Amino acid sequence: QKEVEQDPGPLSVPEGAIVSLNCTYSNSAFQYFMWYRQYSRKGPELLMYTYSSGNKEDGRFTAQVDKSSKYISLFIRDSQPSDSATYLCAMSYGGATNKLIFGTGTLLAVQP
Amino acid sequence: DSGVTQTPKHLITATGQRVTLRCSPRSGDLSVYWYQQSLDQGLQFLIQYYNGEERAKGNILERFSAQQFPDLHSELNLSSLELGDSALYLCASSVSGRTQLPDTQYFGPGTRLTVL
Repeated sequence: QKEVEQDPGPLSVPEGAIVSLNCTYSNSAFQYFMWYRQYSRKGPELLMYTYSSGNKEDGRFTAQVDKSSKYISLFIRDSQPSDSATYLCAMSYGGATNKLIFGTGTLLAVQP
Repeated sequence: DSGVTQTPKHLITATGQRVTLRCSPRSGDLSVYWYQQSLDQGLQFLIQYYNGEERAKGNILERFSAQQFPDLHSELNLSSLELGDSALYLCASSVSGRTQLPDTQYFGPGTRLTVL
């Protein structure tokens, strides 16, 4: 079993839709939770991070963490064609190293 | 632009060969991380350096090695290359390897390695 599971998609939605992306994890020792966005032929860029259960909002993006269920989500409101990318969840244990454990990524296409 | 630079962007080589990938971190960042991204394995952590010293190792093969130089740039050496080593090799940097909130990792564009 992988430490982090993510639905690979692909996911296709019309412009303006609300998108929900999800990851589950098995190790309760994870302390920090992140969402990265990766455009084709580019490196991942950090969208949001959080370290506690609950919601965190940044513009059209909301990150949600439920540590009791070992489940994290990213919601995108009013999705735009420019949101079309691969979305990767990532987690870290903290401590002396900050290595990231990534989900497999979900490919999202927002149709105009 | 994340501020992390990687060279070369593309590399095509043959099985059995050796290559060196280079990464320059963002100005002021002390930690460098190497990741491998492939279709079958996804994005996997290889190794981390902090201020010239190895900090953590992940799923890095013995044929692979890395180092971080005094100017903080890092090189990833891949030897005895196999077809399965074809992947996007990503470098990331952060201010510190310690747990500080947040110790954000900024990724470079990657080096796409093709082994024929």
